[in-house]
Amino acid sequence: EAQVTQNPRYLITVTGKKLTVTCSQNMNHEYMSWYRQDPGLGLRQIYYSMNVEVTDKGDVPEGYKVSRKEKRNFPLILESPSPNQTSLYFCASSLTSDRSYGYTFGSGTRLTVV
Amino acid sequence: QKEVEQNSGPLSVPEGAIASLNCTYSDRGSQSFFWYRQYSGKSPELIMSIYSNGDKEDGRFTAQLNKASQYVSLLIRDSQPSDSATYLCALQPGGFKTIFGAGTRLFVKA
Repeated sequence: EAQVTQNPRYLITVTGKKLTVTCSQNMNHEYMSWYRQDPGLGLRQIYYSMNVEVTDKGDVPEGYKVSRKEKRNFPLILESPSPNQTSLYFCASSLTSDRSYGYTFGSGTRLTVV
Repeated sequence: QKEVEQNSGPLSVPEGAIASLNCTYSDRGSQSFFWYRQYSGKSPELIMSIYSNGDKEDGRFTAQLNKASQYVSLLIRDSQPSDSATYLCALQPGGFKTIFGAGTRLFVKA
């Protein structure tokens, strides 16, 4: 089954404790992206990747890191999480980056930072 | 002005009616436009994409794009209670980013 897999689904952590949210897709998609979704603000793009080893900042990159060492994986790293990073996070992928075919989204990760 | 604006709703329509969802955008260079549906507690799923001015139909859904007026809309014919969800408008303003509106909540009353 074609899908984007995120883990974990739920995560509660403490301020400052480094964490990684994993994302993997099995569709050979070139383009991958991370979004956070907050009430009233919608989906905001954190980082995106056009292909292996090619990443760039979205609209809200502060406090986040990403890497794209393999085509299928695009982990999101929070080096020192803070309470304002409490949010619902989605990983998404698309066939190409030059003309989007629309995203396939992962199931989401609900992160709480206390 | 937000880059993508949607009425947050809720929009309430009776079963069998036409639901009309609207979205306006600020970047005239935007090329690709999308509608996603998001059920409560779930991830967004792509309904339709549209790239050219005019209408595009897919089953009960019709997307309408007017680049001169900078709006894109989604019509849902014969609305069903199962259509109750939040509908997200998204677009590519050029480059590699995709920007989403905050979404419109739709309720279809049985």
